[in-house]
Amino acid sequence: SYVLTQPPSVSVAPGQTARITCGGNNIGSKSVHWYQQKPGQAPVLVVYDDSDRPSGIPERFSGSNSGNTATLTISRVEAGDEADYYCQVWDSSSDHQGVFGGGTKLTVL
Amino acid sequence: EVQLLESGGGLVQPGGSLRLSCAASGFTFSSYAMSWVRQAPGKGLEWVSAISGSGGSTYYADSVKGRFTISRDNSKNTLYLQMNSLRAEDTAVYYCAKEVYSNPGGAFDIWGQGTMVTVSS
Repeated sequence: SYVLTQPPSVSVAPGQTARITCGGNNIGSKSVHWYQQKPGQAPVLVVYDDSDRPSGIPERFSGSNSGNTATLTISRVEAGDEADYYCQVWDSSSDHQGVFGGGTKLTVL
Repeated sequence: EVQLLESGGGLVQPGGSLRLSCAASGFTFSSYAMSWVRQAPGKGLEWVSAISGSGGSTYYADSVKGRFTISRDNSKNTLYLQMNSLRAEDTAVYYCAKEVYSNPGGAFDIWGQGTMVTVSS
């Protein structure tokens, strides 16, 4: 089965840029989606199809995907961005299955 | 307003069964694939199952294949998850999620608030 690898934690000071990576074998050939989850809340889609933003998501959130790594970039980080972030793809290599990364806890210092 | 509302969670003994429901509103339900995603206490997200907008195609995670069945009633705008032979490791918050396409394979753009399932004796 397909595996997505994320760092358990990323820390950044307010106003700086946070980069959260998502590693997978040839992930650049897949569409990657990113979700933000705050404690006690349901996940929220923040980036889809590698780099598109849903309506209502600030331009500070952006994504890229190439080779074996996809990246979620959060510019001008704010305290309210502190949350868990998950990447997600679909694996159609054997059976069509959804796959999530293990999640990254973003801490705003 | 686009909304998903799960129900049916609760405490069940190992080996037991439970059926979750997800009532959808605010969008054309039959036009979109739907998924169930779960989250064990203190753990990450795990995709469980997906169904196409017509209901003709279904997909399952290896961890639930043969035990769980996803279905939908487009006349009632409702998604279901029938869970049989439940195990302690199935304990989690179960979310229903709307996909952006009619067939599974896109992003989950709308999520419900989740329903807790606890499998314990």
